[in-house]
Amino acid sequence: GNSVTQMEGPVTLSEEAFLTINCTYTATGYPSLFWYVQYPGEGLQLLLKATKADDKGSNKGFEATYRKETTSFHLEKGSVQVSDSAVYFCALYNAGNMLTFGGGTRLMVKP
Amino acid sequence: DVKVTQSSRYLVKRTGEKVFLECVQDMDHENMFWYRQDPGLGLRLIYFSYDVKMKEKGDIPEGYSVSREKKERFSLILESASTNQTSMYLCASSPPGQVYGYTFGSGTRLTVV
Repeated sequence: GNSVTQMEGPVTLSEEAFLTINCTYTATGYPSLFWYVQYPGEGLQLLLKATKADDKGSNKGFEATYRKETTSFHLEKGSVQVSDSAVYFCALYNAGNMLTFGGGTRLMVKP
Repeated sequence: DVKVTQSSRYLVKRTGEKVFLECVQDMDHENMFWYRQDPGLGLRLIYFSYDVKMKEKGDIPEGYSVSREKKERFSLILESASTNQTSMYLCASSPPGQVYGYTFGSGTRLTVV
């Protein structure tokens, strides 16, 4: 079956630090991959996506590259801000109209 | 801007009450979903629907039911609320096909006392 594994948090960084949140997946076929962000007290928002191998999704300074050879979709940002503090979810979308989510990684950015 | 609207942000109900959580989307999406989110447990799928009057059980359907009489509206029903149903409830919708992902509502934080 499908599964998504994310690094456990919380991840605590200082402002302007480099961010990596690891995400690996297990799936048959060719899933689409997503990162969602959840700010405190809110629902999830789509941050970026990639629909085929070697695609790079990007948005708001965040990037992730679909690596089929390593089954990974790591989220990166070169310089985080306090406003990036949130929970980040990696997800894959495969046959059956269903998203499979990772457990979420909480990011805390200190000024 | 496309939207998924959940009727309440915060709700407090008493044990044993029948509770309705409403979700409306304006994107003409076929698929709709209800999740609950609890600390340390991530997102857990309660029910989903692929079309009007269709429903499928997710991973944790016990104690819940759903209704989808119109395409835009997907209601989650707690038949007899219990304290272990205190949680954040998230509704989402999507069109068919795997390239779009889901659009989520802002969530309803339900407290059962």
